[in-house]
Amino acid sequence: DAEITQSPRHKITETGRQVTLACHQTWNHNNMFWYRQDLGHGLRLIHYSYGVQDTNKGEVSDGYSVSRSNTEDLPLTLESAASSQTSVYFCASRVSGNTIYFGEGSWLTVV
Amino acid sequence: SQQGEEDPQALSIQEGENATMNCSYKTSINNLQWYRQNSGRGLVHLILIRSNEREKHSGRLRVTLDTSKKSSSLLITASRAADTASYFCATDSSGGSNYKLTFGKGTLLTVNP
Repeated sequence: DAEITQSPRHKITETGRQVTLACHQTWNHNNMFWYRQDLGHGLRLIHYSYGVQDTNKGEVSDGYSVSRSNTEDLPLTLESAASSQTSVYFCASRVSGNTIYFGEGSWLTVV
Repeated sequence: SQQGEEDPQALSIQEGENATMNCSYKTSINNLQWYRQNSGRGLVHLILIRSNEREKHSGRLRVTLDTSKKSSSLLITASRAADTASYFCATDSSGGSNYKLTFGKGTLLTVNP
């Protein structure tokens, strides 16, 4: 079955380090998204992509970057991790119609 | 900023009772969707209602949409302990191929056995 996978599922990193969260989908679909989820804020859009070489900023993009070199992958990079970036990160892909499928999440702790 | 806002933030009911969650949004939409999230897991799509629809059913789920009030409700009938989860509404306000969903903060539903 087609799926969307995130790695790592859990990570602890130090302030100032660069961190990359991987997202891989097997649907070969163009639309991919990164959200972060925090208590009191729900899900907020970080970055999104509508296809290869296309990337767009969401509402909370500061301190994050993405790249889209192929259809299957949209890695999320924290350039210099900050404690405020401790969160759960979800990757998602639009599979068909108007609904999206989510990965299982990546729990990131910045100490 | 959030497009959808769910109400209440938390809801606790007994098994067998109905659960109603509400969602308000700010701008015009193409459709509104409800998602469910079990603790520690990703979100799972439940149901979609288009802007020209007023009510939709799927199993024990009933969704209504009032575009004049910019609000939607999700009703879960005959709730079960397994329905315990967070429920999110999401709005699609995009045009053409520029698809994007905006999520609310969610309602935490606890169904007590």
